Amino acid sequence: DSGVTQTPKHLITATGQRVTLRCSPRSGDLSVYWYQQSLDQGLQFLIQYYNGEERAKGNILERFSAQQFPDLHSELNLSSLELGDSALYFCASSVGGQTLQETQYFGPGTRLLVL
Amino acid sequence: DQQVKQNSPSLSVQEGRISILNCDYTNSMFDYFLWYKKYPAEGPTFLISISSIKDKNEDGRFTVFLNKSAKHLSLHIVPSQPGDSAVYFCAASGWDTPLVFGKGTRLSVIA
Repeated sequence: DSGVTQTPKHLITATGQRVTLRCSPRSGDLSVYWYQQSLDQGLQFLIQYYNGEERAKGNILERFSAQQFPDLHSELNLSSLELGDSALYFCASSVGGQTLQETQYFGPGTRLLVL
Repeated sequence: DQQVKQNSPSLSVQEGRISILNCDYTNSMFDYFLWYKKYPAEGPTFLISISSIKDKNEDGRFTVFLNKSAKHLSLHIVPSQPGDSAVYFCAASGWDTPLVFGKGTRLSVIA
């Protein structure tokens, strides 16, 4: 158990809908990272928040957005969902985050299925 | 363009022997490297890391070797145990370069 929690574990929804994935980092960690893992793409970095502020951005679609709240939990919002958004979404956290040379600890993931 | 490559999708090793998993990278900005292990239906679990100022780091049965000139790193597991059977991901990052993962190598340790 890494100490990172993610809810929900599974999510089934329809195309065009909007969903919110939630992540609570390990106690004391200031950074939260979001990743998408689809079958053919491997783990792809989406976005990082450090102490409430966006720190780094990867291959995140404009239909996706994230935020980190004062209690350091984070939410990833996915809107206008398409079939291709079906994937595993992982959250990770790290102690710092001012640099990106940090060991990240991963949550169990949310499996999203868009029908 | 894959910046981190794990060229062997799978590897089978007998219990008690050494497992060697390999990883190559192309981005010279990478200076921090990690290995993660992943079981089905779970998130990646951190195993071991190495920064570019070192060429070897050891933690119990796990040793990571880094060859900067060849842009190559490897993970050695000695001795291999059946519980080590999982998918292993190599990952790399830099000061301002987000973590990039390889596509993984599935290790099977046969009793």
